[in-house]
Amino acid sequence: KAGVTQTPRYLIKTRGQQVTLSCSPISGHRSVSWYQQTPGQGLQFLFEYFSETQRNKGNFPGRFSGRQFSNSRSEMNVSTLELGDSALYLCASSLTRYEQYFGPGTRLTVT
Amino acid sequence: AQSVTQLDSQVPVFEEAPVELRCNYSSSVSVYLFWYVQYPNQGLQLLLKYLSGSTLVESINGFEAEFNKSQTSFHLRKPSVHISDTAEYFCAVSPPGGADGLTFGKGTHLIIQP
Repeated sequence: KAGVTQTPRYLIKTRGQQVTLSCSPISGHRSVSWYQQTPGQGLQFLFEYFSETQRNKGNFPGRFSGRQFSNSRSEMNVSTLELGDSALYLCASSLTRYEQYFGPGTRLTVT
Repeated sequence: AQSVTQLDSQVPVFEEAPVELRCNYSSSVSVYLFWYVQYPNQGLQLLLKYLSGSTLVESINGFEAEFNKSQTSFHLRKPSVHISDTAEYFCAVSPPGGADGLTFGKGTHLIIQP
């Protein structure tokens, strides 16, 4: 089976812009979770989608949003980018709620 | 709410020596416990997990971890490390229902010295 894929792998944006990241889960996985990884804060949970519905949400501002499509692919959007949004964004898919498989991540740099 | 503490940010060890990476957690409810490994420029890979049953869990590449409820710990061990084990290791917890996603520790960088 193909693993979790994320596109793009690298992205450079300017403060104030918005960005959309994409995640394709492992075939058959209906749950997709997003995490932000930074050197200072470590790995932090953003949100989880299951069957096109947001099931859980972490403690991030409303500038961070996501959605899931009927084929389980997911996108996350960050509006009005800030320098502090520079991070590795990881997507994970799962069949059960306690075994998540991570993609390689999207490295976002905000200048 | 849960929290995870990885006591060592960096652990240097010689090749073929044993290693222990420490993980303690805090939670008001029972939790599931995980160890993930992250190689440079890659995502996280699940190394092993404790859900229930035997408190000693093993991975296919020689790592093992033991759940100790009284000490709220889930330390990771390997009797003999290899250069290829150089990576960042993350301990994580999740409530059984999976709500609020995984809560991760800050990570331990395992450095294998030849």
